[in-house]
Amino acid sequence: GNSVTQMEGPVTLSEEAFLTINCTYTATGYPSLFWYVQYPGEGLQLLLKATKADDKGSNKGFEATYRKETTSFHLEKGSVQVSDSAVYFCALSNAGGTSYGKLTFGQGTILTVHP
Amino acid sequence: EAGVAQSPRYKIIEKRQSVAFWCNPISGHATLYWYQQILGQGPKLLIQFQNNGVVDDSQLPKDRFSAERLKGVDSTLKIQPAKLEDSAVYLCASSPGLAGPGVEQFFGPGTRLTVL
Repeated sequence: GNSVTQMEGPVTLSEEAFLTINCTYTATGYPSLFWYVQYPGEGLQLLLKATKADDKGSNKGFEATYRKETTSFHLEKGSVQVSDSAVYFCALSNAGGTSYGKLTFGQGTILTVHP
Repeated sequence: EAGVAQSPRYKIIEKRQSVAFWCNPISGHATLYWYQQILGQGPKLLIQFQNNGVVDDSQLPKDRFSAERLKGVDSTLKIQPAKLEDSAVYLCASSPGLAGPGVEQFFGPGTRLTVL
């Protein structure tokens, strides 16, 4: 079955530091990959996505590249801000079968950025 | 455009009691999802509707959980009777048109359930 594994957290950084949150997956076929973010007191919202191998998703300074050879979709940002403090979820969805469109999530990584 | 609405936002009940959650998806969205998010874990799909038909309910504990989506719009998720391990945040999400690869799901704020 499908699964997503995120790096152990939480992650604590100083403002302007470089961020990497690792994500690897197991899936059949050619899944789409997503990063969702949950800010304190808010619902999950899509941060970025990629739908095929070697695609790069980007938004708000965050980037992630779909690497089929390493089954990875690591999230990166060159300079984090205090406002980036949130919980980040890596997720995938399959293109076929009875689970069409269903999201499988990782366990989430808590990011705290200090001034 | 209004987002996904859920109510109540918080609910505290005793074990063996019943509880119901309501979700109103974004207008025109054909696909509706209910997820369970236990503290420290990622959301897990409970049930997926396409209009008012069930697409996937393989992870729904059918002995105690039920869900319906009347007229293909609003949806209700019920737990009867509740157990301690049902304490979680219940998330509703919707997506436009048919579910498919790369299609974004829009999430509501969730209902936090505590079972004592």
